[in-house]
Amino acid sequence: KAGVTQTPRYLIKTRGQQVTLSCSPISGHRSVSWYQQTPGQGLQFLFEYFSETQRNKGNFPGRFSGRQFSNSRSEMNVSTLELGDSALYLCASSLGGSGNQPQHFGDGTRLSIL
Amino acid sequence: DAKTTQPNSMESNEEEPVHLPCNHSTISGTDYIHWYRQLPSQGPEYVIHGLTSNVNNRMASLAIAEDRKSSTLILHRATLRDAAVYYCILRDGKSNSGYALNFGKGTSLLVTP
Repeated sequence: KAGVTQTPRYLIKTRGQQVTLSCSPISGHRSVSWYQQTPGQGLQFLFEYFSETQRNKGNFPGRFSGRQFSNSRSEMNVSTLELGDSALYLCASSLGGSGNQPQHFGDGTRLSIL
Repeated sequence: DAKTTQPNSMESNEEEPVHLPCNHSTISGTDYIHWYRQLPSQGPEYVIHGLTSNVNNRMASLAIAEDRKSSTLILHRATLRDAAVYYCILRDGKSNSGYALNFGKGTSLLVTP
């Protein structure tokens, strides 16, 4: 069974640009969550999508957005990139529903802002 | 979500058992105890979870205190590949509560040969 796939693995952008990251969840999983990981702040929750609707949102500015498609694949977008957006962006999927189901993570997209 | 407290770091010898503690004194009745680990240069990996009873799987065992205010992740025989940051996280088990894991700092496990 294929795991969570994130593309691209590495990305270099400059300040002011925008970026789109992609995540393909495990087949059958309807919940997709995004996290940002930095050395200073650790792993922080960005948002969660379930059946194409944003169900939860973390404390990030509006420059961070996402969406989910009918096949459960998800994208996240960051506009007007800042140096502080350099991070590992992780996607996780789960069957959905209650919080007693585990999340399965991809290996992330490492975004570097110059 | 209720908060958890873990030691910053622990050290173990290879092939010895490892007991990773987690305190969660404000746990609610519907909170599940989840454990994840993150190996270097990888995304977090689900390890195990439980509600009230002890749980075993191929990776580890989870021992939950009777009052549920603490739990212990047990790696029966540590290998060098178990060196990782281990996160203890509480998740509300009510349906449709959504997913937003609060990872905290975790415990960095060092395994020495």
